[in-house]
Amino acid sequence: KQEVTQIPAALSVPEGENLVLNCSFTDSAIYNLQWFRQDPGKGLTSLLLIQSSQREQTSGRLNASLDKSSGRSTLYIAASQPGDSATYLCAVRPRGYSTLTFGKGTMLLVSP
Amino acid sequence: DAGVIQSPRHEVTEMGQEVTLRCKPISGHDYLFWYRQTMMRGLELLIYFNNNVPIDDSGMPEDRFSAKMPNASFSTLKIQPSEPRDSAVYFCASSSTLYIRAESEPEAFFGQGTRLTVV
Repeated sequence: KQEVTQIPAALSVPEGENLVLNCSFTDSAIYNLQWFRQDPGKGLTSLLLIQSSQREQTSGRLNASLDKSSGRSTLYIAASQPGDSATYLCAVRPRGYSTLTFGKGTMLLVSP
Repeated sequence: DAGVIQSPRHEVTEMGQEVTLRCKPISGHDYLFWYRQTMMRGLELLIYFNNNVPIDDSGMPEDRFSAKMPNASFSTLKIQPSEPRDSAVYFCASSSTLYIRAESEPEAFFGQGTRLTVV
């Protein structure tokens, strides 16, 4: 059974710092990996999707990498801003499944 | 499209009462997913439908939970009788077969959730 772990569970940084969120998964047989953002009381917003054949994806200040063989992904946020404060969730779609398996998330707080 | 619409946004009920959560998926999406989110367990898939047919309900915690999708634009998740341990945020999400097979688009679009509190 696929399990997804995110470290750290919570992170607090001052504005302007570059930071890395980590995600690991136990089974490398995946279609893709996706990073989501969740604001308090809101649903999930997709940030980046990495196909199993890809190594990384970039969107603005966000860069996500995927090392399928080691079962790891990182989300890099450059020049963090208070507006980046949210919970970041990592999810994988295992091969043969139409659904996502989620990690528990990293709660990020960026202080001004 | 307005996205995935869930109602109610918040629900407070007494233990033993029946609770019904509602979801309207994005028009044209043929997959619908129900997830539950708690601090302890994170996001868990409860059940999903394809073309209104339940495909996998192995995540439904017990017989008190049931889900239906009578048509392509509406689904319900019912808890009867409700218990305090059912308190959580319940999310509905929808996706298109095109997205899943193409592997090139986001997996699913999520609603804003229903926060359920059972006292």
